[in-house]
Amino acid sequence: EADIYQTPRYLVIGTGKKITLECSQTMGHDKMYWYQQDPGMELHLIHYSYGVNSTEKGDLSSESTVSRIRTEHFPLTLESARPSHTSQYLCASSDLTVAGTEAFFGQGTRLTVV
Amino acid sequence: AQSVTQLDSHVSVSEGTPVLLRCNYSSSYSPSLFWYVQHPNKGLQLLLKYTSAATLVKGINGFEAEFKKSETSFHLTKPSAHMSDAAEYFCVVSEWSNFGNEKLTFGTGTRLTIIP
Repeated sequence: EADIYQTPRYLVIGTGKKITLECSQTMGHDKMYWYQQDPGMELHLIHYSYGVNSTEKGDLSSESTVSRIRTEHFPLTLESARPSHTSQYLCASSDLTVAGTEAFFGQGTRLTVV
Repeated sequence: AQSVTQLDSHVSVSEGTPVLLRCNYSSSYSPSLFWYVQHPNKGLQLLLKYTSAATLVKGINGFEAEFKKSETSFHLTKPSAHMSDAAEYFCVVSEWSNFGNEKLTFGTGTRLTIIP
């Protein structure tokens, strides 16, 4: 089992609410990622980070924001949730110092905005 | 630029028969290649990886994949399918760029269905 955790696993929330999806890893990895995945579809990179105080936008434009104040923590925030944000969000991490190393994934957060 | 093409969006096989999930890639550098499996409502689990060592890679749960540079392929196989293999499978290519940063590119996924 990978040591990367996401909370909550499932979240149903009303339109306009602010939400934060949590992601923590205990492997000391520098690089962390957020992917968005609609049911039965491919993964789209929305944010990534090379380390503390580093955040970058991914390939898919997203209204969410991220922060990286601590190595182990990479939360994702939506200031005002909308039904179009309904999706599964997957967090991952990898060791930047080793070429070809795999990414470790959390269990995901399935977000439903009503 | 790198890319990954999973040639089948859906594969159905009978339990006990061989599994073949196809993946082709393009990469400017020597890539690393991975296969991940995703069961319903779960995260992604690494099945196996190729990182320029042996071209035939063995993974968990009886899966293996062969890296063929001449064909730019990394197909996933298993001799005998089990009901528990039903899941979504993703082929991933990784490039280690000049700046030492790694970019992961995911295929669109192949849904494997096992027929009892």
